Amino acid sequence: DGGITQSPKYLFRKEGQNVTLSCEQNLNHDAMYWYRQDPGQGLRLIYYSQIVNDFQKGDIAEGYSVSREKKESFPLTVTSAQKNPTAFYLCASSRGLAGVTDTQYFGPGTRLTVL
Amino acid sequence: GQNIDQPTEMTATEGAIVQINCTYQTSGFNGLFWYQQHAGEAPTFLSYNVLDGLEEKGRFSSFLSRSKGYSYLLLKELQMKDSASYLCAVRGSYIPTFGRGTSLIVHP
Repeated sequence: DGGITQSPKYLFRKEGQNVTLSCEQNLNHDAMYWYRQDPGQGLRLIYYSQIVNDFQKGDIAEGYSVSREKKESFPLTVTSAQKNPTAFYLCASSRGLAGVTDTQYFGPGTRLTVL
Repeated sequence: GQNIDQPTEMTATEGAIVQINCTYQTSGFNGLFWYQQHAGEAPTFLSYNVLDGLEEKGRFSSFLSRSKGYSYLLLKELQMKDSASYLCAVRGSYIPTFGRGTSLIVHP
C-alpha cells in the first residue's frame, strides 16, 4: 500500500533540545512539504522540496531545518531556536508542484510537546 | 499575498444539507482544494476546482467562481461521521495556502 508515514505519533522533548521528525513516502512523489498546525491557525508551510537535494523555506522556516537526501524521505529538525515548538506537524507529498494532478497527500502527523 | 476566509464553526442536523463557504484574495490562481480533517488526524483530499462551476463527487460537491473569489463545499445527507474540520486551500502559483478551517458539528 502506497502512502506517507510519520513517526512517532506523539513526541515529548525538553526545552532546549533539538528533535527530528521523520517523514517517508512510497508514492514516488517528487515534491514534499512540512506544515505546522496550531489550534485556530490552519496549516502553515515550514519548508518544501521539489526534488532531491533541493528545498525552499516556507512562511515560518525560522528555527527549523530539513534535508532531502533521498526521494522518499524528508526529515524535519525542530531546533532549540524555535520559540514555540509545541504543535501538530504534518508532512505531505505531491507528484509535482503546480499541475492539475499535483494534489497534496498528507501523513498522519506528529504531535510534538516541548516541556 | 493571499487571504482565505472561512467560517470558524457550523452546526447541522443529521440527514440535512450544509454549505461551507470560502472566499479568497490571491495574486494568481492555479486551483482550489477542499480537505476534510478529523481531530488529531491527517487532512484527506475531497475535491479540486480550477475552472468555474460545480464538481460533484457522491455526497460532496464543490463550486468555484474565480471572478468572485468564492468557493463552497456542499455536503448532502449529512452523517455523524461528517463532523470534522473542512479546510479550503488556494494555490496561487505553486504551493497551496490553507484557510483556518471550518469546524462542522453534526448532531442527531
